[in-house]
Parts: sequence; structure tokens; C-alpha cells
Amino acid sequence: GQNIDQPTEMTATEGAIVQINCTYQTSGFNGLFWYQQHAGEAPTFLSYNVLDGLEEKGRFSSFLSRSKGYSYLLLKELQMKDSASYLCAADLNSGGYQKVTFGIGTKLQVIP
Amino acid sequence: DTAVSQTPKYLVTQMGNDKSIKCEQNLGHDTMYWYKQDSKKFLKIMFSYNNKELIINETVPNRFSPKSPDKAHLNLHINSLELGDSAVYFCASSQEGPGATESFRPQHFGDGTRLSIL
Repeated sequence: GQNIDQPTEMTATEGAIVQINCTYQTSGFNGLFWYQQHAGEAPTFLSYNVLDGLEEKGRFSSFLSRSKGYSYLLLKELQMKDSASYLCAADLNSGGYQKVTFGIGTKLQVIP
Repeated sequence: DTAVSQTPKYLVTQMGNDKSIKCEQNLGHDTMYWYKQDSKKFLKIMFSYNNKELIINETVPNRFSPKSPDKAHLNLHINSLELGDSAVYFCASSQEGPGATESFRPQHFGDGTRLSIL
């Protein structure tokens, strides 16, 4: 079966850096998504990694190691508005079509 | 302009009733999805349609029947609603199809339909 693990909750201080880890055991793996979901809202796309290494996008960076089945999302200069759930999701090939399998999500609370 | 819109936003109904949720996307995408997010916030795929054809059905009870009249619309009809059906249902779309492994397309989500069964 497909398995994606990430911590359920994290707390960090405004202005600090936080790293949210994700490990996966899947078949038909294409790449790894990170989505952000504020309470009561829809998930929104943050990043996608298909190759090993770090992808930087402003305050957010995402890392992937395919051999280790591991990814992390790095958030720098945390702001209060970054309080949200962060969903790690595996992009899988299912009969030639995309099938995205989500982790449980990490609820990040940013405190003053 | 809303990219993926679903209606209604809130749905409160009694056990045993039948209800429908509608979804429309104006992004020109080929593929549409229904996801269920339960009380533990776990987002799980239910169905996927590509150009009106069902391509993914994740062992959802047959009380749930998706219908795609065209590639811009994917509706979800639920018969004989049960307490366990209470959840947020998200519609999403992406530009996918044969050859999906060659490139990636992020999924765009609607705002969700909050279904509560009394």
C-alpha cells in the first residue's frame, strides 16, 4: 500500500525557521507535492519536487531524496499568517494517470 | 473569476436522504477529482475523471455516484446518507491525461462542501 508519514502538529515562533518532514513508501512515484491549507479553506499548491535536491521559492523551500523516500518543507522568517496545515502528497502514476495521495497534514502554529 | 467552484458550500441534512454536490471548472483542465476530508483532516481521493471517463474509483460505497456531463463538470450524488458521510468534500481539477508521467500538473481545489448529517 501507499504510506505517507508526517508529524501531526508543530509550533514555532514568529521570525524563526521551521522544517516539516515527510517520509513516504509508495509505488509508481513521480514526485512530491506540498500544499498549504488554512483552517476552513481549500488546499493551495506550494511546491513540487521531482528531482533530488532543494527547490527554493521565496521564504519556502522544499527538499527531496528519492533514494531515502524523504522530503521536507522549510519555512523561513515565519509570519503569523503561516499558521496552517501543510500537506505532503505523493504524485503517483496510476495506469498512466495522476493519482495524488496525501499525508495526514502537519498543523503548524506560529506564536508571537 | 473562480477557477473551481462547487455548490453548495454547506449542506445539512438528515440520515437517509439523497443529496447532490455540483462542481465546475473554467481552467480548461481535462481531469477532475472528488476528495473527502474527514474530521481528522485526512484528505482522501474518491474519484477521478478524465474527459468524462472514470479513471480512478477508490473503493467508495456505491451510494456515491459521480457524473461528468462534460469535462468542465463533475457532480457527486449521494444516496441514503449515513452519519459517517459527514465531512468536507473537495472538488479539484488538473491538466492530466495519458503521458502524465512526463510532466506535473498541480491540482486546483474548490472551496469545499461541508456536509453534516443529523
